[in-house]
Amino acid sequence: GDSVTQMEGPVTLSEEAFLTINCTYTATGYPSLFWYVQYPGEGLQLLLKATKADDKGSNKGFEATYRKETTSFHLEKGSVQVSDSAVYFCALNAGNNRKLIWGLGTSLAVNP
Amino acid sequence: DGGITQSPKYLFRKEGQNVTLSCEQNLNHDAMYWYRQDPGQGLRLIYYSQIVNDFQKGDIAEGYSVSREKKESFPLTVTSAQKNPTAFYLCASSTSGTGVSQYFGPGTRLLVL
Repeated sequence: GDSVTQMEGPVTLSEEAFLTINCTYTATGYPSLFWYVQYPGEGLQLLLKATKADDKGSNKGFEATYRKETTSFHLEKGSVQVSDSAVYFCALNAGNNRKLIWGLGTSLAVNP
Repeated sequence: DGGITQSPKYLFRKEGQNVTLSCEQNLNHDAMYWYRQDPGQGLRLIYYSQIVNDFQKGDIAEGYSVSREKKESFPLTVTSAQKNPTAFYLCASSTSGTGVSQYFGPGTRLLVL
């Protein structure tokens, strides 16, 4: 079945460091891929998405490229801020029922 | 402003009691979802509804029930059959079509007394 695998956290970085959170997937067909962010005590917010191979999603300085050849959708940011501290979830949608398949989340802590 | 509201923010349940979590959306979305979030386990789908008066079980439906009488509303009842209900519950909605994003409410934290 379809699945998403994220790198385990927690990830701890200093402010202005480069961020990569790895996400790989297994899916039949051509899934859409998503990154969501969850700040402490809140719901999830859509961070970015990509719907076909080689698409790059971007938002708030974060980027991820849909790589079909490596079945990956790694999240990157060139210079993290303390306010980026949150849990990041990778997800995919591969069917017509609109259900999302979720990774387990990666916690990021950015220190000043 | 369009969005999803969940109430209450915190809810306490006594042993043997049923409790109902509210979820309302004014985004005119067809589909709505309920997730349970436990530490270190990510999101698990409880129930989802693609259209009014229709809903399907997700991965962990046992001990929960839902209704979808109106497009805007998708309440979740945690029954006494759910033996470990302490968790953070998230409601979401989406439009029709493939590859669409889900939009989330702020969540309800359920605690057992």
